[in-house]
Amino acid sequence: AQSVTQPDIHITVSEGASLELRCNYSYGATPYLFWYVQSPGQGLQLLLKYFSGDTLVQGIKGFEAEFKRSQSSFNLRKPSVHWSDAAEYFCAVADRTYKYIFGTGTRLKVLA
Amino acid sequence: DVKVTQSSRYLVKRTGEKVFLECVQDMDHENMFWYRQDPGLGLRLIYFSYDVKMKEKGDIPEGYSVSREKKERFSLILESASTNQTSMYLCASSSRGMELFFGEGSRLTVL
Repeated sequence: AQSVTQPDIHITVSEGASLELRCNYSYGATPYLFWYVQSPGQGLQLLLKYFSGDTLVQGIKGFEAEFKRSQSSFNLRKPSVHWSDAAEYFCAVADRTYKYIFGTGTRLKVLA
Repeated sequence: DVKVTQSSRYLVKRTGEKVFLECVQDMDHENMFWYRQDPGLGLRLIYFSYDVKMKEKGDIPEGYSVSREKKERFSLILESASTNQTSMYLCASSSRGMELFFGEGSRLTVL
């Protein structure tokens, strides 16, 4: 069965520091992979997606993610975090029938 | 700009009441979804629909039903609300092979 694991429930970083949020998935073939961000009281917004091709994908707001097939990972990175990045981040995987499975989320806190 | 609109941001209902959550999308998307979001559990799929008048159960359909009479509208129905259905409900839509677009959510409290 498909699954998505985000091992970090909470992460705290200082403003200007680099960020990496971890995501591991379980899927028999190459899945469609996504990262979404949710600000408090809001719906989810797509940050980036991977379908095929270049394994390093660029997204909005300066985020990037790298697909590593050998590690079944799709970690999200940002070189310098801004206070406005404080939010909850969700990794998701979709199969060929476009059914999506979400991780349990990582809440990011940014220290001034 | 793409838009998924959920009719109510906040609702307070009593146990046993019938609850309707409405969702409308203006992107002509084929697929529509209802998720439930609870702390520590992420998003769990309740129901989804690939076409008008078509519905499929998700992972947690018990206690819920849905209706899709028009392509742009997907309604979630709680026939008899219970306190364990207090949650954030998120509607989303997508076109085939594309990412989900979410509404802002409906926070339901059942007393």
